[in-house]
Amino acid sequence: QKEVEQNSGPLSVPEGAIASLNCTYSDRGSQSFFWYRQYSGKSPELIMSIYSNGDKEDGRFTAQLNKASQYVSLLIRDSQPSDSATYLCAVSGGSYIPTFGRGTSLIVHP
Amino acid sequence: SAVISQKPSRDICQRGTSLTIQCQVDSQVTMMFWYRQQPGQSLTLIATANQGSEATYESGFVIDKFPISRPNLTFSTLTVSNMSPEDSSIYLCSASIRGRDTEAFFGQGTRLTVV
Repeated sequence: QKEVEQNSGPLSVPEGAIASLNCTYSDRGSQSFFWYRQYSGKSPELIMSIYSNGDKEDGRFTAQLNKASQYVSLLIRDSQPSDSATYLCAVSGGSYIPTFGRGTSLIVHP
Repeated sequence: SAVISQKPSRDICQRGTSLTIQCQVDSQVTMMFWYRQQPGQSLTLIATANQGSEATYESGFVIDKFPISRPNLTFSTLTVSNMSPEDSSIYLCSASIRGRDTEAFFGQGTRLTVV
């Protein structure tokens, strides 16, 4: 059974701080790793994809992947209240079918 | 990314009835999926919709309860049959597109309430 684990939170950070979201996965054969943002009452929105070890930066977002430790993280710099949402980690292998974690609720307070 | 149109966006249905949810993608699709998301929970894969053939269902989901069609590359339907209150959930259509095969995009979801 492929599993993706996330701390459900909530993670509360002040505006302007760095938010750090973490995810671990069980399947060593996983090849693709994703972060989705889901606002309350909305569907998930893909914000980051990462495929190789190391960091990938896109604006205020940085995804980090460590395949040896089976660990993926998402850093959000200069957090804004509009970043308050649930962040879902997803992982897929050769089948390209993503498995989702339960999500971490992020609250950015002014 | 892809634009995925899903309808209806919400519905309230009587137990014992069926609801069909439609999903249309505006891009060249490689794979289509149907997920269920219950309140406060993550996404659970119901099935992979296969073009012109029977869908591939995940453990715990059966064709009689969740018949799925995919008559062409970009369109799929999910029917929730003989509904009970336990079927109340958000149902999400998802697709990956050619050139971005590893990434899954989502429709806006269908919020179903069974009374």
